Amino acid sequence: AQRVTQPEKLLSVFKGAPVELKCNYSYSGSPELFWYVQYSRQRLQLLLRHISRESIKGFTADLNKGETSFHLKKPFAQEEDSAMYYCALSGGGNTGKLIFGQGTTLQVKP
Amino acid sequence: NAGVTQTPKFQVLKTGQSMTLQCAQDMNHEYMSWYRQDPGMGLRLIHYSVGAGITDQGEVPNGYNVSRSTTEDFPLRLLSAAPSQTSVYFCASSTGTAVTAFFGQGTRLTVV
Repeated sequence: AQRVTQPEKLLSVFKGAPVELKCNYSYSGSPELFWYVQYSRQRLQLLLRHISRESIKGFTADLNKGETSFHLKKPFAQEEDSAMYYCALSGGGNTGKLIFGQGTTLQVKP
Repeated sequence: NAGVTQTPKFQVLKTGQSMTLQCAQDMNHEYMSWYRQDPGMGLRLIHYSVGAGITDQGEVPNGYNVSRSTTEDFPLRLLSAAPSQTSVYFCASSTGTAVTAFFGQGTRLTVV
């Protein structure tokens, strides 16, 4: 079955500390993975796509097929990074569907 | 370019009432989806569409109907609202599977 698991509901760090938001997935095939972010009172927006292998706002994520993980990392957290982060897996079949994890709230304290 | 627009932003319904959540996109995207967001559950897919006239059920379709008569619009209908449908609803559109999905600002629905 296709599934995305984000084990942490809340991650609280101090400004300047490293951040790692965990994401594990279950998918039979080649996964397409994403990180979406929802800032307070704003709509969800794309942060990263694994296929792009890019760094956005200092965040990176590497797909580890052996561990079926797609953890989101940032070396130095900023207060403006405080938000809800969702890991998502493409549902496949060229449908536009996304399968989301439960979400992790990142709280960056001053 | 408005992107994905949802109306209304907030709604309170009484149990048993019906209503339609509107979603419109102006990006000529083929794919559109409806999700509900509940605490601790993430976003769960209700219904989706791969083009005008084509819809299918997602993970949690019960109690909801959809139709897609045009590329731009994808309304979600609650036929007889129940308190379990209290949630935040998001509409999304995209050009495909492995590309960015664009989301509306959400509709916060409370059923009393």
